[in-house]
Amino acid sequence: QSVLTQPPSESGTPGQRVTISCSGSSSNIGSNYVYWYQQLPGTAPKVLIYRNNQRPSGVPDRFSGSKSGTSASLAISGLRSEDEADYYCAAWDDSLNGVLFGGGTKLTVI
Amino acid sequence: QVQLVQSGAEVKKPGASVKVSCRASGYSFTSYYIHWVRQAPGQGLDWMGMVDPSTGGTTSAQKFQGRVSMTRDTSTNIVSMELSSLRSEDTAVYYCARTVADGYNSGWFDPWGQGTLVTVSS
Repeated sequence: QSVLTQPPSESGTPGQRVTISCSGSSSNIGSNYVYWYQQLPGTAPKVLIYRNNQRPSGVPDRFSGSKSGTSASLAISGLRSEDEADYYCAAWDDSLNGVLFGGGTKLTVI
Repeated sequence: QVQLVQSGAEVKKPGASVKVSCRASGYSFTSYYIHWVRQAPGQGLDWMGMVDPSTGGTTSAQKFQGRVSMTRDTSTNIVSMELSSLRSEDTAVYYCARTVADGYNSGWFDPWGQGTLVTVSS
């Protein structure tokens, strides 16, 4: 069971805005950066958001991240069929002295 | 370009050990931590541990302590992860990944290796 809690699934229609939540605690999200990864089937994860809300070059501005207290969220606007993937949040945990990943959210574009 | 290339797929019997290697290129090998993350079939990402290539120091997740060994070779820019006492639940794709910044306590990984499938079956 992941210490970072994500909804197992979300869905939306093309053009819609969807949000994926990630809930943690004071030892992880509450005191460290949050990162978001997108994983397409059969491929390695790819970083979408770093340091809570920063996008690497090449990631469309349709993707945005935010953090408040011990929770974080990833928003995807203008949903497209190619956004259908698994999404994971990640953060360092000071108590465990390691990286925690959320359980992952499968995004379906209907 | 910055690249991590992993060794090929492995099939092991329960109780055996497996060693997965990760060859780094395109950057200063000793300047960035290398982490190991695994993913069981249809499951999420599970952090295993990390290596500091400059010192060889390692940190592993509690669930793997005593079973995992991570090493580095600065002459070949290779980091290796050995997992012992394998059981069927260890069947997974094993990834190496490089930290980008933010120090050792960072979950910012880029790039990732292509993954190595380890199958544990009698």
